[in-house]
Amino acid sequence: QKEVEQNSGPLSVPEGAIASLNCTYSDRGSQSFFWYRQYSGKSPELIMSIYSNGDKEDGRFTAQLNKASQYVSLLIRDSQPSDSATYLCAGPQRADSWGKLQFGAGTQVVVTP
Amino acid sequence: GAGVSQSPSNKVTEKGKDVELRCDPISGHTALYWYRQSLGQGLEFLIYFQGNSAPDKSGLPSDRFSAERTGGSVSTLTIQRTQQEDSAVYLCASSPDGGVGQYFGPGTRLTVT
Repeated sequence: QKEVEQNSGPLSVPEGAIASLNCTYSDRGSQSFFWYRQYSGKSPELIMSIYSNGDKEDGRFTAQLNKASQYVSLLIRDSQPSDSATYLCAGPQRADSWGKLQFGAGTQVVVTP
Repeated sequence: GAGVSQSPSNKVTEKGKDVELRCDPISGHTALYWYRQSLGQGLEFLIYFQGNSAPDKSGLPSDRFSAERTGGSVSTLTIQRTQQEDSAVYLCASSPDGGVGQYFGPGTRLTVT
């Protein structure tokens, strides 16, 4: 079983709608999670960090963490064509290996005008 | 401020040659990571440096791969006797400490002919 799992997509979202991305993880001890956006041919860009249960909002992005159910999600409100990218979820590979991140394979998002 | 920089941006080499890839992390970041990403694939962890601790080399795919970090700053990834399967984008990332979000450089695209 992979440490961090995501649906590969593509997730097609009409412009202006909400894109909902999900990520599940296997290590109950994982403490921190991150969402990265990667445009085609570019390197990943950190867009959200979340360390505690609940929601964290930053502009049009909301990250949600549910440690009991072992999932983390990302909502993109008012989706724009510029949001079309692959979104990577990342969490600690092991709770006792604090520095290393395990990346999911990524979910491709396509925002259609 | 300046982000993570990597050089060269592109490298074409013949099979069997050695290559060196360089990474300049964000100033003051104690953690430095190397990943590689093959076309259309996810991120593959290679090695992690944290401060003065021994590096975590658990992701290096073979003994042809090595990395060092001098003075707690610049890092060099060396691939000896390159093989065609080494062709990928090599990404470097740094973070202020382990366990927090990582910031990626633009990557080095390595092509082994």
